Amino acid sequence: GESVGLHLPTLSVQEGDNSIINCAYSNSASDYFIWYKQESGKGPQFIIDIRSNMDKRQGQRVTVLLNKTVKHLSLQIAATQPGDSAVYFCADTGDSGGYQKVTFGTGTKLQVIP
Amino acid sequence: EAGVAQSPRYKIIEKRQSVAFWCNPISGHATLYWYQQILGQGPKLLIQFQNNGVVDDSQLPKDRFSAERLKGVDSTLKIQPAKLEDSAVYLCAGREGTGRRREDTQYFGPGTRLTVL
Repeated sequence: GESVGLHLPTLSVQEGDNSIINCAYSNSASDYFIWYKQESGKGPQFIIDIRSNMDKRQGQRVTVLLNKTVKHLSLQIAATQPGDSAVYFCADTGDSGGYQKVTFGTGTKLQVIP
Repeated sequence: EAGVAQSPRYKIIEKRQSVAFWCNPISGHATLYWYQQILGQGPKLLIQFQNNGVVDDSQLPKDRFSAERLKGVDSTLKIQPAKLEDSAVYLCAGREGTGRRREDTQYFGPGTRLTVL
């Protein structure tokens, strides 16, 4: 079936630097994407979302970029902090019998080096 | 606001035994999901409820897994009998509204880590 996948399993970043986490998706019909953060021992937490009619969306210290031409998403975290250490998932939302179904990718582990 | 409650947090059983997990979503969240998250992977949807009705159980292994949400509030997920490959974290999530609007955020519980020996 269709899948949402990530390029790198682990990313190590120096504290204070910017982080970029990438994600490729395969379903051309996907029109809504979500980034989640999952800390150790916790469930995923919503970070930011983007619709396919946008190519960029900004939040607090985070920016998501969407390139529909190459079916690629990225999550940029500015001034990475130790508290940003977690696994990050991109996900897309598709219709399942009229209800929204979220499909998660594999995840990228972000390690922040103090 | 209280978060999504799940219990137990950890469970260790032997294969062929049965196990049950409990979830209580945020008050008012009509949509409830159970996910299975195998180590190193993203969560995979097992079942979705809208109030007390099932709207998607296409990925639930129904020969051994069952779930219910009798009063449309809390929910239980059961595995009987368990297999080694069922070792995973079982996440519960809730969502406001009808589950049809993609912008409605899912709120996850901390999960139950199941180890099958």
